[in-house]
Amino acid sequence: GDSVTQMEGPVTLSEEAFLTINCTYTATGYPSLFWYVQYPGEGLQLLLKATKADDKGSNKGFEATYRKETTSFHLEKGSVQVSDSAVYFCALRANTGNQFYFGTGTSLTVIP
Amino acid sequence: NAGVTQTPKFQVLKTGQSMTLQCAQDMNHEYMSWYRQDPGMGLRLIHYSVGAGITDQGEVPNGYNVSRSTTEDFPLRLLSAAPSQTSVYFCASRPDGISGNTIYFGEGSWLTVV
Repeated sequence: GDSVTQMEGPVTLSEEAFLTINCTYTATGYPSLFWYVQYPGEGLQLLLKATKADDKGSNKGFEATYRKETTSFHLEKGSVQVSDSAVYFCALRANTGNQFYFGTGTSLTVIP
Repeated sequence: NAGVTQTPKFQVLKTGQSMTLQCAQDMNHEYMSWYRQDPGMGLRLIHYSVGAGITDQGEVPNGYNVSRSTTEDFPLRLLSAAPSQTSVYFCASRPDGISGNTIYFGEGSWLTVV
């Protein structure tokens, strides 16, 4: 079945460091891929998305490229800030059907 | 701009008690769902609904009941609370149709069963 695997955390970085959070997926067909962010005490919010192969989603300095050949959607940011501390979830929605599938989440802490 | 509204935000229950988590959305979305979030397990789907009068089970439905009498509301009932149901619960909704449509979450309900 469809599934998402993302790197386990927690991840701790210094401010201005480079961030990569790996995400790979298993799905039939051509799913849409998403990254969600959850700040402490809040619900999940959409960070970025890509709906077809080679698309790049971007928002707030974060980027992720839909790579069908490697079934990946890694999240990157060139220079993290303390305010980026949160839990990040990779997710997919299959091209058919109604379900979203979420990874287990990666906790990021950025220290000054 | 309310979006998805969940209540209560925090609740403590005794084992065996029942309660209802309320969820309402004002975006006219057909699809609504409930997830639970547990450490190391991410989000797991409990129940979902593709429209008023239609509900179905997700990955972890046992111990929970849902109904969808209107497009706006999708309450989650805990029939007889157990400590294993201690979790954070999220209601979500999204428009149906195009796979690229995103899903919108409520702010969560923190439930402790003692």
